[in-house]
Amino acid sequence: EDQVTQSPEALRLQEGESSSLNCSYTVSGLRGLFWYRQDPGKGPEFLFTLYSAGEEKEKERLKATLTKKESFLHITAPKPEDSATYLCAVPANEKLTFGTGTRLTIIP
Amino acid sequence: SQTIHQWPATLVQPVGSPLSLECTVEGTSNPNLYWYRQAAGRGLQLLFYSVGIGQISSEVPQNLSASRPQDRQFILSSKKLLLSDSGFYLCAWSVGPYQPQHFGDGTRLSIL
Repeated sequence: EDQVTQSPEALRLQEGESSSLNCSYTVSGLRGLFWYRQDPGKGPEFLFTLYSAGEEKEKERLKATLTKKESFLHITAPKPEDSATYLCAVPANEKLTFGTGTRLTIIP
Repeated sequence: SQTIHQWPATLVQPVGSPLSLECTVEGTSNPNLYWYRQAAGRGLQLLFYSVGIGQISSEVPQNLSASRPQDRQFILSSKKLLLSDSGFYLCAWSVGPYQPQHFGDGTRLSIL
């Protein structure tokens, strides 16, 4: 069964304190891995697509990386506006399987 | 550029009343369309998806239904709402089944 697990469930960081979020997946035949950001009361906003192990994508303070079993979302020197829930998803059986997300809070 | 519109943003309905949520996509043709429900503190649950006009696939048995009367219009309906139908409903589109999905801003549905 296709599965996506994210950890930790919640993470509180001081402004400027770098860290990483984890997304572990089990899927037969990876066709990509997607990262999203979701603000309270809003729909998820697409951030990155990663297709193969070793691939990296960057956007401002975020960098996503991919291995054969997991993906990391590294956040460098975060700011309060980076506070959100970050979701990862993998396509399988013509649908997306989502993790339950990591709720990130950046404290000024 | 492509945009997705979902309305209403908030809806309060009594138990047993009907429901109609609408979603439209602009700037693309023949998109894949999706309805999700997100319960508080939980992940996204896929309810329905459609790869073309009149074609609907249902993921979970429930008292909800979906229709796609036009290429870029997706409607979520119910004849009689239950308390358990409360939640945050999201519409999404993609160019294909293995491509990123792009979401609307959702409808917060409260059943009283």
